[in-house]
Amino acid sequence: DGGITQSPKYLFRKEGQNVTLSCEQNLNHDAMYWYRQDPGQGLRLIYYSQIVNDFQKGDIAEGYSVSREKKESFPLTVTSAQKNPTAFYLCASSIGQGSGEQFFGPGTRLTVL
Amino acid sequence: AQSVAQPEDQVNVAEGNPLTVKCTYSVSGNPYLFWYVQYPNRGLQFLLKYITGDNLVKGSYGFEAEFNKSQTSFHLKKPSALVSDSALYFCAVRLGYNQGGKLIFGQGTELSVKP
Repeated sequence: DGGITQSPKYLFRKEGQNVTLSCEQNLNHDAMYWYRQDPGQGLRLIYYSQIVNDFQKGDIAEGYSVSREKKESFPLTVTSAQKNPTAFYLCASSIGQGSGEQFFGPGTRLTVL
Repeated sequence: AQSVAQPEDQVNVAEGNPLTVKCTYSVSGNPYLFWYVQYPNRGLQFLLKYITGDNLVKGSYGFEAEFNKSQTSFHLKKPSALVSDSALYFCAVRLGYNQGGKLIFGQGTELSVKP
């Protein structure tokens, strides 16, 4: 998990509330990513950012929002518009271009009560 | 459509036996292929990657993978399995920079190694 931290590890949310998941990296990577993991479905891309102050929607962006004001930080907000937010959320980063692998954080498990 | 398939949800192997976790892909152009491992409630750990060159790639913890362009496969292998290899394994293909360098993942294969 080295170099990427996610907090909190566990998060509980009531329906109708927005919550923000933190992701910080000290790897000096340009690109950062947010994935959602559900059992039996692999990882699905929510949002990604290749450079500060720029980000793009992934495959399942509806009900989520992000910001990239600093190179090392890429917080994800799960809004009340996300109909089924209970999942394991993983943040990743990579050098950006070329063939480099993505490095993953330890994840945040979000449960909606 | 670009995709990655892992045809087996679960693979069971006895300790000491060889293991294979299968992966096939469908992408345009030359693929960048990856294998990751995930232990319960943890993030993904990088195992190995194929970019170009030798079709047999060696990675962490004694794992290796064979790239087969004609069969569009990238199967993960290990000559002698350990109980500690039991985990969830993901195959992934990386898209080009103009597509954000995104990873497309297979659905994962649960490897169980019994003593």
